[in-house]
Amino acid sequence: GAGVSQSPRYKVAKRGQDVALRCDPISGHVSLFWYQQALGQGPEFLTYFQNEAQLDKSGLPSDRFFAERPEGSVSTLKIQRTQQEDSAVYLCASSLAIASGRAPDTDTQYFGPGTRLTVL
Amino acid sequence: QKEVEQDPGPLSVPEGAIVSLNCTYSNSAFQYFMWYRQYSRKGPELLMYTYSSGNKEDGRFTAQVDKSSKYISLFIRDSQPSDSATYLCAMTNSNSGYALNFGKGTSLLVTP
Repeated sequence: GAGVSQSPRYKVAKRGQDVALRCDPISGHVSLFWYQQALGQGPEFLTYFQNEAQLDKSGLPSDRFFAERPEGSVSTLKIQRTQQEDSAVYLCASSLAIASGRAPDTDTQYFGPGTRLTVL
Repeated sequence: QKEVEQDPGPLSVPEGAIVSLNCTYSNSAFQYFMWYRQYSRKGPELLMYTYSSGNKEDGRFTAQVDKSSKYISLFIRDSQPSDSATYLCAMTNSNSGYALNFGKGTSLLVTP
C-alpha cells in the first residue's frame, strides 16, 4: 500500500523564484495537512484541508504561501518570491477521517518524506 | 517561548539500556499527546497516542502523561540500534485537534 508521497524530494531555488511542492495523500484520506520543519526544529503547522475545503490556513507565514487541493486529493503548496528564511523541509500528512484529535484510529496523521527546499 | 519544550540532545546510550525522553508544555488545554519517531530524511511516524493523564504501554515503549505537572515521557526498554532516530513529542486540544504542536525533537543514538 502506498503511503503519502511528495515531490520533488529536493528543490533548490534562487531567491525570488516561485516554487510548487506536490503532495499525494493516501487514497481515500479526507484530511490533509502541511507542516514546515526548519533545521533542528519540530514541524510547525501550516494549513489543513478537509476534502477540497481549506479549513485552516492560520499557520501560513505570509501571503507568499498558498495551498490548494482542488479535487480533494492531490495538494500543492506554492511559495511565491522565495526568501532564504523559507528554506526548510515541507511535510505533508493525511488522515482517514475528519480530524478532531479524539480518535487515534482515524485521526492518525501519516506523514510523507517531505520536500527539502533550499533557497539560495 | 514555545508551548512545547523538548531537550534536543543528542542522547547516546548503549544497546539494551532504558531510554527516557520527555517534554514539558505550557498550554493546559492540551489533552491528546503523541510521540513520533523520525528517521533521517524521512517523515515522522506515530509511535504512541495517549489521551489525558496516565500510562500506555506498547511492546518496548511506555508513554506517560502527567497533566498536573504538564510533563510527558516516553520510555524505551531494551533499546536497539534500530531505535536510533529523532523522537518528537506532539500534542493538541479538542478545539483544533488537527494542528499538532511539536517539540523540537530529541536525537537518540543507540550504540551496539
